[in-house]
Amino acid sequence: AQSVTQPDIHITVSEGASLELRCNYSYGATPYLFWYVQSPGQGLQLLLKYFSGDTLVQGIKGFEAEFKRSQSSFNLRKPSVHWSDAAEYFCAVGAFHKTSYDKVIFGPGTSLSVIP
Amino acid sequence: NAGVTQTPKFQVLKTGQSMTLQCAQDMNHNSMYWYRQDPGMGLRLIYYSASEGTTDKGEVPNGYNVSRLNKREFSLRLESAAPSQTSVYFCASTDSLEAFFGQGTRLTVV
Repeated sequence: AQSVTQPDIHITVSEGASLELRCNYSYGATPYLFWYVQSPGQGLQLLLKYFSGDTLVQGIKGFEAEFKRSQSSFNLRKPSVHWSDAAEYFCAVGAFHKTSYDKVIFGPGTSLSVIP
Repeated sequence: NAGVTQTPKFQVLKTGQSMTLQCAQDMNHNSMYWYRQDPGMGLRLIYYSASEGTTDKGEVPNGYNVSRLNKREFSLRLESAAPSQTSVYFCASTDSLEAFFGQGTRLTVV
């Protein structure tokens, strides 16, 4: 069964500092991995996704993530955080199923606060 | 292109009342979902619809019913609301597993 963990419930960083949000997944086959961002009072927006190929993927807003199969991880990074990056971040793993529905499982989320 | 539209955005219900949350997407996606979001628990799947006329239960279906009226619309109904159903509800549709979300409905049951 698919599962996603995000070890950090809340992270606080200073504006301009680097950021890394952790995500670990459990899935038997090749996973499809996603990072979404949710600003207060809003729905979720896709930051980036990994399906195959280059394990370092670039997303919107200057974010990137690296897929490490050996560690079952898909950590999100940004070299320099802006105050507008304060939001909730969700990692997700998806899988196509022939006999069931196409599942997308979300992690519990990491809340990011940015200190000016 | 509106994407996924949910109504209403806010709702307060009394225990035992019923209501329907509406969702429509204009991206011609086959798959649609209803999630609830609670603090510290991420998004939990309530119901899923792979195509028009088909629906399936997700992780937390108890107390809810759904209807896939056509390819565009997927509604969620609470027949007898309970305080435990206080949550933020999101509708989504997917294209090759990439999910597109509505703005959410904040529901409070008192």
